[in-house]
Parts: sequence; structure tokens; C-alpha cells
Amino acid sequence: SYELTQPPSVSVSPGQAASITCSGGKLEDKYVCWYQQKPGQSPVVVIYQDRKRPSGIPERFSGSNSGNTATLTISGTQALDEADYYCQTWDGTTYVFGTGTKVTVL
Amino acid sequence: QLQLQESGPGLVKASETLSLTCTVSGGAITTGTYYWGWIRQPPGEGLEWIGSIYYGGITYYSPSLKSRVAMSVDTSKNQFSLKLRSVTAADTAVYYCARDVNYDEFFFDHWGQGTLVTVSS
Repeated sequence: SYELTQPPSVSVSPGQAASITCSGGKLEDKYVCWYQQKPGQSPVVVIYQDRKRPSGIPERFSGSNSGNTATLTISGTQALDEADYYCQTWDGTTYVFGTGTKVTVL
Repeated sequence: QLQLQESGPGLVKASETLSLTCTVSGGAITTGTYYWGWIRQPPGEGLEWIGSIYYGGITYYSPSLKSRVAMSVDTSKNQFSLKLRSVTAADTAVYYCARDVNYDEFFFDHWGQGTLVTVSS
């Protein structure tokens, strides 16, 4: 079965950029989206189709996908960006979620 | 504004069937090319897709749960439902329903608030 691997945690200082990776075989051949989940809340999509932002999502969220790795970048990270982030893709028959990354804003 | 709301028992006994319903408001479940999905999250763990259904009845399920899962749609009530048979403690999780943007984009754009289901022994 297809798997997506993320680092368990990423730490970032306020105002700096945070990058979260998502690795999977030939991932560039698939669309990747990213969800933000704050404690006790439902996930919210922040990037879809590799790099598109839904309306209402700040411009500081951006995405890319190349080779075996997709990346979510948060530019100018703010305290309110502290959350768990999950990547997700469709492998043709199944939705697959990444292992999740906890972003801490120190 | 599209809203989804999960409902169902919060406690299910081991070996029995978990049954949940998702009520959709602010839009018809029959609109467009959307599917409707279920995702779960065990306490302190990550997200796991369970399956998705089209209002016409087409379903696709996670291979790991396929033998125990059944999903259905009631268009007259604007609802879709999940049944998971023979549950164990490993099925304890927050269960979310969500709109599945399956056509060409493949993501979940609207989510319910989630409902915790605990399996007791």
C-alpha cells in the first residue's frame, strides 16, 4: 500500500519560514493537499492540487511537489500557525494521509 | 455555507456494529460531482480515510477496512451513513464526515466537527 512520510515535528521562530516535507514514491505524479488541524478542531485544507490555496487561506501558505517529495511552506510563521499538519494524496483507488507533523512556534 | 454534522452513539460494545450518520445542510447532497466521505482519527494519532460514497450509490472503501464497512446515502434526508461491523478497541476514534472533491482534485473541502466513538469491551 502507498505511504506518505512526514517528520514528526518542526520548530520555527515567529516570523521565520517553516517547511514541512511529505515523502512518497513518485509523488510528483499525484496531487497533494495539506490540512491544518488545531487541538480539538477538525482539519482545514490549506493547500490543494499541490499549490492552490482555498479562499480565506493566507498567502503565507504555499506548496510544491517534485520528485518524491511535496513541501508545505509557511512564510512569516505566526503563533496561530501552531498546529498539526497532514499531507494527503489519492493513489488511484485510495486516499492516503501522511503521518502528520506538529509545528511548534517557539 | 455548507455544513456537515455527525450523529450516532458515542459508545459501542466490542464485536457490535458502529453506526453513524452525517447530515448535510446548506447544499444538496446530490449537487455536482462531489462524493461524501468518512475519515477517522484515533486519540492522539493521525487521520485515516475510511471510504467515500456518491449520491448515486457508488462507493469506494479503504482496503484495510473494506471487509467491515458499508456506506449508504439517503437523498430525501440529505444524509449519508457509515456502518462498521465487528468493532474492537482499535476502532475507538473521532469520526469525521466530509465532502470529497474527488473529481480531478482529490481532497476534502468541508468537514464536520467530528464525533468520538469509544468501543468498550
